[in-house]
Amino acid sequence: AQSVTQPDIHITVSEGASLELRCNYSYGATPYLFWYVQSPGQGLQLLLKYFSGDTLVQGIKGFEAEFKRSQSSFNLRKPSVHWSDAAEYFCAVAASGAGSYQLTFGKGTKLSVIP
Amino acid sequence: DADVTQTPRNRITKTGKRIMLECSQTKGHDRMYWYRQDPGLGLRLIYYSFDVKDINKGEISDGYSVSRQAQAKFSLSLESAIPNQTALYFCATSDLTRTDTQYFGPGTRLTVL
Repeated sequence: AQSVTQPDIHITVSEGASLELRCNYSYGATPYLFWYVQSPGQGLQLLLKYFSGDTLVQGIKGFEAEFKRSQSSFNLRKPSVHWSDAAEYFCAVAASGAGSYQLTFGKGTKLSVIP
Repeated sequence: DADVTQTPRNRITKTGKRIMLECSQTKGHDRMYWYRQDPGLGLRLIYYSFDVKDINKGEISDGYSVSRQAQAKFSLSLESAIPNQTALYFCATSDLTRTDTQYFGPGTRLTVL
């Protein structure tokens, strides 16, 4: 079974600073990887996803993530954070192939942005 | 209009009451899911359905039941609510032919007193 670890429970950055949120996964083959964002009082919005191909994936709102097989990581980055990025971010992994419906979430990283 | 809707958005109920949470989708997806979210625990899968006649238990199905009334509708019931079922509940949908990416509704905040 797959698993996801988000090592940072809470991160605070200044507006305009760069951001990197860490995600490590455990899965025997190449997984499907996702980042979702949950703004306060809102549902989960898909930021980006990786299935295959180019290991650097671009998402919405200026976010990108890089799949590193050797490190079992899928870290989320943004070069310049905006106050509206304050939210909780969830990394998720699914098995490739027939088990793709089984989405396993990390416990989330809460991002605070200082004006 | 939102692709995945949930009703109600907020609900307060008492221990022992029966409650139903409803989910509707206009995405045309076959697969639907119910999750609960608790602070610090992320999301956990309660039930999932691949089509109207295919319903499966997830990680934490005890105390819950579901009904898939149509391709577009998937309801979650708590037959006798208890306080530790206080949580945020999300419905999601996916389409296997489109990489099975899951898309979430806005959530229902349930409080059991």
